[in-house]
Amino acid sequence: NAGVTQTPKFQVLKTGQSMTLQCAQDMNHEYMSWYRQDPGMGLRLIHYSVGAGITDQGEVPNGYNVSRSTTEDFPLRLLSAAPSQTSVYFCASTPGLAEGTGELFFGEGSRLTVL
Amino acid sequence: AQSVTQLGSHVSVSEGALVLLRCNYSSSVPPYLFWYVQYPNQGLQLLLKYTSAATLVKGINGFEAEFKKSETSFHLTKPSAHMSDAAEYFCVTGGYQKVTFGTGTKLQVIP
Repeated sequence: NAGVTQTPKFQVLKTGQSMTLQCAQDMNHEYMSWYRQDPGMGLRLIHYSVGAGITDQGEVPNGYNVSRSTTEDFPLRLLSAAPSQTSVYFCASTPGLAEGTGELFFGEGSRLTVL
Repeated sequence: AQSVTQLGSHVSVSEGALVLLRCNYSSSVPPYLFWYVQYPNQGLQLLLKYTSAATLVKGINGFEAEFKKSETSFHLTKPSAHMSDAAEYFCVTGGYQKVTFGTGTKLQVIP
């Protein structure tokens, strides 16, 4: 039972480069989200999706792009990396409200360093 | 808007001592409330959740939390700390789309 899988686990980028963080879940959850974790700030929501073809912005969306073409996958794209995007990124999923209680299931994280 | 405040970014306890991690929430409606734990270099996992069915909520690994509406609190406790409890703990409010994390409390357990 894989749950939520994120790749890569570690990545180093130069300023201005672009990249995609991959996220896949095998639990048929409707809701998926991306967070960034910075020391002393908890987790902050970047983007989320309530189903295939539907995405919306969270608290800190600038510099990131997402799409949701399937229920399983929710990639996060960094368009032009900046040092301020150095962080640990977490993908999470949850069943729809009709099924679940809002519990989030997290991937193991992707540590990104932008030089 | 719903929010949570965690008091104390670092808490140290001796092995075998009581663990008390504080969380206060701000909500105009009955909230969803959760505690998550993050072990070093891992993702977060659910410890327990408040569903309004009972004010005292029992979670995994011997943790529990009590919902107190009069104090707008949802503090996390464990009677006896174990070395394996060393981790960062997050109080979270909302559910589904409107999720807000506290800033986290790192628990250190001293042998």
